[in-house]
Amino acid sequence: DTEVTQTPKHLVMGMTNKKSLKCEQHMGHRAMYWYKQKAKKPPELMFVYSYEKLSINESVPSRFSPECPNSSLLNLHLHALQPEDSALYLCASTPKAGQIYSNQPQHFGDGTRLSIL
Amino acid sequence: AQSVTQLDSHVSVSEGTPVLLRCNYSSSYSPSLFWYVQHPNKGLQLLLKYTSAATLVKGINGFEAEFKKSETSFHLTKPSAHMSDAAEYFCVVTDNTNAGKSTFGDGTTLTVKP
Repeated sequence: DTEVTQTPKHLVMGMTNKKSLKCEQHMGHRAMYWYKQKAKKPPELMFVYSYEKLSINESVPSRFSPECPNSSLLNLHLHALQPEDSALYLCASTPKAGQIYSNQPQHFGDGTRLSIL
Repeated sequence: AQSVTQLDSHVSVSEGTPVLLRCNYSSSYSPSLFWYVQHPNKGLQLLLKYTSAATLVKGINGFEAEFKKSETSFHLTKPSAHMSDAAEYFCVVTDNTNAGKSTFGDGTTLTVKP
């Protein structure tokens, strides 16, 4: 079992729908990450939250809207997605974020498999 | 700047034979290096990490890797492959630049034949 829990495991939505992905960790980590992973590719960083504040946004389209309501929870709100947004969305966490903590491994959830019709 | 090159996109071995997955890196500073494994429909799981301590690093499930600064390599090995080792493997580098962001290799798919 992973220590980072992501729900739902699978999500199918139309291009006009609004949905949210949820990520939760109870390890006391203060940095949380969203990645997008296409088939047979490495994860691509989307967002980094550090102490519940957005610290990195990798120029992600505004149809993806992250939210960190508390230190344990990270959401990704989805609206008006495109077919090319179909992918595995991974959440990860580390005790802290930033370059001086670059020696910390990330703890990944099992992801949400998103399909856009 | 940091970068990672996984030299083989696919590796196929027979069960019980050694595994070698190759990774070369580039980093302007003292890097931290990681190997992660990803089984189908799962997240990434840490196998092992190098963070400037011992150059030979032992990880979970019998895997180990050796940090060779002169060759800028961090190859992953296992003496005897098991069927359950079949998965995707990612070599990852971070250093004190790039805001601490990780750079992932393109991955190596390991196939284990019975």
